[in-house]
Amino acid sequence: DAGITQSPRHKVTETGTPVTLRCHQTENHRYMYWYRQDPGHGLRLIHYSYGVKDTDKGEVSDGYSVSRSKTEDFLLTLESATSSQTSVYFCATQTPGNTIYFGEGSWLTVV
Amino acid sequence: AQTVTQSQPEMSVQEAETVTLSCTYDTSENNYYLFWYKQPPSRQMILVIRQEAYKQQNATENRFSVNFQKAAKSFSLKISDSQLGDTAMYFCAFMSNSKLTFGKGITLSVRP
Repeated sequence: DAGITQSPRHKVTETGTPVTLRCHQTENHRYMYWYRQDPGHGLRLIHYSYGVKDTDKGEVSDGYSVSRSKTEDFLLTLESATSSQTSVYFCATQTPGNTIYFGEGSWLTVV
Repeated sequence: AQTVTQSQPEMSVQEAETVTLSCTYDTSENNYYLFWYKQPPSRQMILVIRQEAYKQQNATENRFSVNFQKAAKSFSLKISDSQLGDTAMYFCAFMSNSKLTFGKGITLSVRP
């Protein structure tokens, strides 16, 4: 357990609106990740961070941005939500022993 | 780029029996980690077992063990004495350079 909290856990939003998902960790881990999970695709990496203000893109980063101003918080923003971004979003952190733990997920529906 | 393949979409096993879930991966890296995660209906991602590529000994965690074949790039999960609570989706994952790549998962059903 890496003390990961995601908020909100459930959200319904309208197409074209901005949405921010928050990931908070209590273990001071350096690496943090955002994944999305869709049927038939498993989990796919959106963005990750390797330190405060240090972020990089994953395989499905289009339409998403991230920010990390504090070690404990990693924010994922959908700048203008689309129906294709309806998904379950998972935050994760990497321990110093190179194990990755996940938060409980955030269900986002874009209508 | 790394790829992880789970070729079986679904499996079923009788309670108390043993089942093996297959996973293969492709990489040119020599130093990496392999994982199996369990995802029950709650959708929480639960770490089942972890293997370091430089270790020849197969990892075990209670009823869960792996068969790690580095040359063949194979990483299968064996569940012994299957229990109803093992019913879930199972994901194989590969990590190198702090990036984790997942297979598409397999749905395991344990029959009473």
